[in-house]
Amino acid sequence: SQQGEEDPQALSIQEGENATMNCSYKTSINNLQWYRQNSGRGLVHLILIRSNEREKHSGRLRVTLDTSKKSSSLLITASRAADTASYFCATDPRGAGGTSYGKLTFGQGTILTVHP
Amino acid sequence: NAGVTQTPKFQVLKTGQSMTLQCAQDMNHEYMSWYRQDPGMGLRLIHYSVGAGITDQGEVPNGYNVSRSTTEDFPLRLLSAAPSQTSVYFCASSSSSSGNTIYFGEGSWLTVV
Repeated sequence: SQQGEEDPQALSIQEGENATMNCSYKTSINNLQWYRQNSGRGLVHLILIRSNEREKHSGRLRVTLDTSKKSSSLLITASRAADTASYFCATDPRGAGGTSYGKLTFGQGTILTVHP
Repeated sequence: NAGVTQTPKFQVLKTGQSMTLQCAQDMNHEYMSWYRQDPGMGLRLIHYSVGAGITDQGEVPNGYNVSRSTTEDFPLRLLSAAPSQTSVYFCASSSSSSGNTIYFGEGSWLTVV
């Protein structure tokens, strides 16, 4: 079973618009990570947010985390055609003593299409 | 600056054949794992390792074996390939000392006919 559920499954926008993707999960986490995957390629790590953080920024990316609602969102501002890809959230569960062992549980992803 | 290296990138197998997907990392990470990705889905964990000599099962371990004799290498063995194992396989590594960011290989595309 996949812990992370992402919404929407597909998103189509114009260049310059903002794109927001949401992720919900079920169990306690050590951290939550967002990845991008271009068609036929591997995963590229975008941003990691720890369970004690509420918001994080990286360039045009803004990630929020609400552990009380077990949800996260990824905002891409001023989107570009090159942002067209699938975006996945992945949760890193809290192990014994709070240790993270690198075992991620992925959502099914959001397919983002940015039209020039 | 290799990171996580997977081989082969593409492979076609016949049902019943066995093979090994290789994975190596040069970052001295203690944690390594294997995932599979089926069309239109996220990745699912097959097996993982928290250090040399220590492995454990993930969500979908059936039909796969792993071993971790060194910190650098984490091969995935398909014992008797089945069409249901047609998928893209990703190896990953991470370390608590690197902030738990997980680094992925480029993937291995496997087709079982």
